[in-house]
Amino acid sequence: DVKVTQSSRYLVKRTGEKVFLECVQDMDHENMFWYRQDPGLGLRLIYFSYDVKMKEKGDIPEGYSVSREKKERFSLILESASTNQTSMYLCASSADWGASNEKLFFGSGTQLSVL
Amino acid sequence: QKEVEQNSGPLSVPEGAIASLNCTYSDRGSQSFFWYRQYSGKSPELIMSIYSNGDKEDGRFTAQLNKASQYVSLLIRDSQPSDSATYLCAPQNQAGTALIFGKGTTLSVSS
Repeated sequence: DVKVTQSSRYLVKRTGEKVFLECVQDMDHENMFWYRQDPGLGLRLIYFSYDVKMKEKGDIPEGYSVSREKKERFSLILESASTNQTSMYLCASSADWGASNEKLFFGSGTQLSVL
Repeated sequence: QKEVEQNSGPLSVPEGAIASLNCTYSDRGSQSFFWYRQYSGKSPELIMSIYSNGDKEDGRFTAQLNKASQYVSLLIRDSQPSDSATYLCAPQNQAGTALIFGKGTTLSVSS
């Protein structure tokens, strides 16, 4: 089974802190994604990566950055956490890029609270 | 920003009925379309994909696509209480590199 592992299920941070959310997949997938999910707003794409050291902005990249030094790991960085970044963060990976089979495998999510 | 519109619901149907979930999208360049199911407190999981106009059936699920109308739907026949979840419509972006999700429709199936 494909496994996408997010390092923390719950995280509490203070305003202004630098926050790292880690995601690891074990299926040698090319593509990795970070979404955030908020009630009433649904799933919104923050950043994605289709190769090591490559990254693309999604719909809401402001306040975030990402790092993909190794194929299996994709990190989301909040440079200076703010209360409006309190959310459920979902990492996902997929094997295909641009093909008609973009099945996403999701991690279990990290609920981040910024106080 | 490309829009994906779904009726938020809740959509309530009795057990055994047909549930109809609808989705419209604004990106005319979208070529691939996906339906994900998300149970409360869980992550989304893929249930259907559709790429061509018309219907695609998989068990109790039927996806329907009309690219001219920019409309995609999901029918669930013989609905079961275990189908109670939020259903997310997700067209692929024009570049084919990522999925853009709708806000989801919450389905409640009563026994």
